[in-house]
Amino acid sequence: GQNIDQPTEMTATEGAIVQINCTYQTSGFNGLFWYQQHAGEAPTFLSYNVLDGLEEKGRFSSFLSRSKGYSYLLLKELQMKDSASYLCAVRGPAGGYNKLIFGAGTRLAVHP
Amino acid sequence: SQTIHQWPATLVQPVGSPLSLECTVEGTSNPNLYWYRQAAGRGLQLLFYSVGIGQISSEVPQNLSASRPQDRQFILSSKKLLLSDSGFYLCAWSVGSTGNYGYTFGSGTRLTVV
Repeated sequence: GQNIDQPTEMTATEGAIVQINCTYQTSGFNGLFWYQQHAGEAPTFLSYNVLDGLEEKGRFSSFLSRSKGYSYLLLKELQMKDSASYLCAVRGPAGGYNKLIFGAGTRLAVHP
Repeated sequence: SQTIHQWPATLVQPVGSPLSLECTVEGTSNPNLYWYRQAAGRGLQLLFYSVGIGQISSEVPQNLSASRPQDRQFILSSKKLLLSDSGFYLCAWSVGSTGNYGYTFGSGTRLTVV
């Protein structure tokens, strides 16, 4: 079966650091993606991990542990515009037509 | 560069009416195409995907159907809408099945069935 879990909501303060966790149990794994989605808009790509470890991209970093079925997205120096939903998505095995299975998303509210 | 167009942006339809949502991709050939639905406050649910003209795979049984009449055109349809069909519909495309090939999403269609 396919199961991707993320916290439903988180709050943080402007300028702070926040970590959004994602655990997954899927039949096959070929990469994990993080997307950002502002209310009423389409998701936009943030990061991709396929090997264990940390990928850093500016204020955003993403970590993956395949043995634990675990990933997190780390947002540093939070800004008000970071208030959005963050979606964790797992890609199925190679040859699976790049199908992504999404978690329900974590709604992040950044306060002044 | 590649772009994806999806329309209409919003739609209000009565129960029992038909539906047609269209998605087109420019700047690439033979893309993988996907239709997702996002109910209010929920995650994205994969409805259909297509790896080529006329090739449609359905992920969940439902009141909807999809077609791909041309390489870069993907259409989502229904003969008779239900209240439960309301939601935010997103079309997406990708190439390849390995590497950093995530999705690029269209701007979405917000469908309200009344």
